[in-house]
Amino acid sequence: EPEVTQTPSHQVTQMGQEVILRCVPISNHLYFYWYRQILGQKVEFLVSFYNNEISEKSEIFDDQFSVERPDGSNFTLKIRSTKLEDSAMYFCASRGSTAYFGPGTRLLVL
Amino acid sequence: GENVEQHPSTLSVQEGDSAVIKCTYSDSASNYFPWYKQELGKRPQLIIDIRSNVGEKKDQRIAVTLNKTAKHFSLHITETQPEDSAVYFCAASGQAGTALIFGKGTTLSVSS
Repeated sequence: EPEVTQTPSHQVTQMGQEVILRCVPISNHLYFYWYRQILGQKVEFLVSFYNNEISEKSEIFDDQFSVERPDGSNFTLKIRSTKLEDSAMYFCASRGSTAYFGPGTRLLVL
Repeated sequence: GENVEQHPSTLSVQEGDSAVIKCTYSDSASNYFPWYKQELGKRPQLIIDIRSNVGEKKDQRIAVTLNKTAKHFSLHITETQPEDSAVYFCAASGQAGTALIFGKGTTLSVSS
């Protein structure tokens, strides 16, 4: 069964540093998403991506965030200048008829 | 935008009992309602979903019902087992490119 994959599984960074989180969606899916989940809280929508552009974004997805599909398979989330409050689990998801989540990247900002 | 409310936040049942989790949504354009199970430190795993042209869907011990008029949908788990213990999230979305918005989750504990 095809799966969404994400790398790295864990990332520790210093406040102010840039991080790039990577995802490989399911190959025949056309819609891609990033979500975050702060420990013990709900899954929060960040952004959706279709046809090489953002189709929807939440208030959380400010100018510090960007997404890209650089090579037709990877889907990346960049945080330009990390803050302490960016510490969370970041999930990528892809959707065909149903939406499947990757295993997540646990980001810790020190 | 869409807002999803989920109740209860915690639910404790005895093994073999049934569990019901309820969600309401605000956007009448939403037409896709999945349920996810999340174990500690793991990804949300899709367990069942329903679309707005169907009122009920069942998969073994799990069923979901949808009332579009009232804008609510529910997850029913029968004959609960300890391995059903997890956090369950409902979600709602419109067409495929739109956000899948999650409820706050229900922590289900099944004791043997």
